[in-house]
Amino acid sequence: DIQMTQSPPTLSASIGDRVTITCRASQSISNWLAWYQFKPGKPPQLLMYKASTLESGVPSRFSGSGFGTQFTLTISSLQPEDSATYYCQQYNTHVFGQGTKVEVK
Amino acid sequence: QVQLVQSGAEVKKPGASVLVSCMSSGYTFTNYYLHWVRLAPGRGLEWMGVFNPAIGETSSAQRFRGRVTMTRDTSAGAVMELSNLRSEDTAIYFCARSGSIYGAFDIWGQGTLVNVSS
Repeated sequence: DIQMTQSPPTLSASIGDRVTITCRASQSISNWLAWYQFKPGKPPQLLMYKASTLESGVPSRFSGSGFGTQFTLTISSLQPEDSATYYCQQYNTHVFGQGTKVEVK
Repeated sequence: QVQLVQSGAEVKKPGASVLVSCMSSGYTFTNYYLHWVRLAPGRGLEWMGVFNPAIGETSSAQRFRGRVTMTRDTSAGAVMELSNLRSEDTAIYFCARSGSIYGAFDIWGQGTLVNVSS
């Protein structure tokens, strides 16, 4: 079974900082990777699919990259509303990473 | 507005079953697959299964087979039933849609908390 490993588990950064979250697959998944943002009490939001395609309506400060086994989600300039937990997902097998909780200082 | 709206929180005893409903609006329900995912304390996100509303076909994750049932209950809604509940089933349950069976989940419900406690 494919495993998805996210890092770091938590991170704390200041407004305006550049933040990067990494997701590693245990075997090649081409670019079948999505990123989601989870906030308590709200429906989760799709941010990125096919590793680097920005979902409509998502701010352009979010970007994704990677292919094969190594992927990243980058927030170019962290904003207060970005405080959330972020998950990667290999959506051929629907396996999720363990999540990264982002705190905005 | 495209959205999925789920039923309210549930408290159940071990051994019981729970029904979680998911009502769609703003799009043609039968044109998209509907997935069920849960977020459990300490276990992260787990995909439970997928339902094709157009033909009623389902596929579930190995660990939930025999305990999970996904069906259509209205022209725009679906229901997930999880049976033989145990404390480890305490989680937030989400429905989410995708355009293809192996696609990303572009619309999610708000989540339903199921608390299994004696």
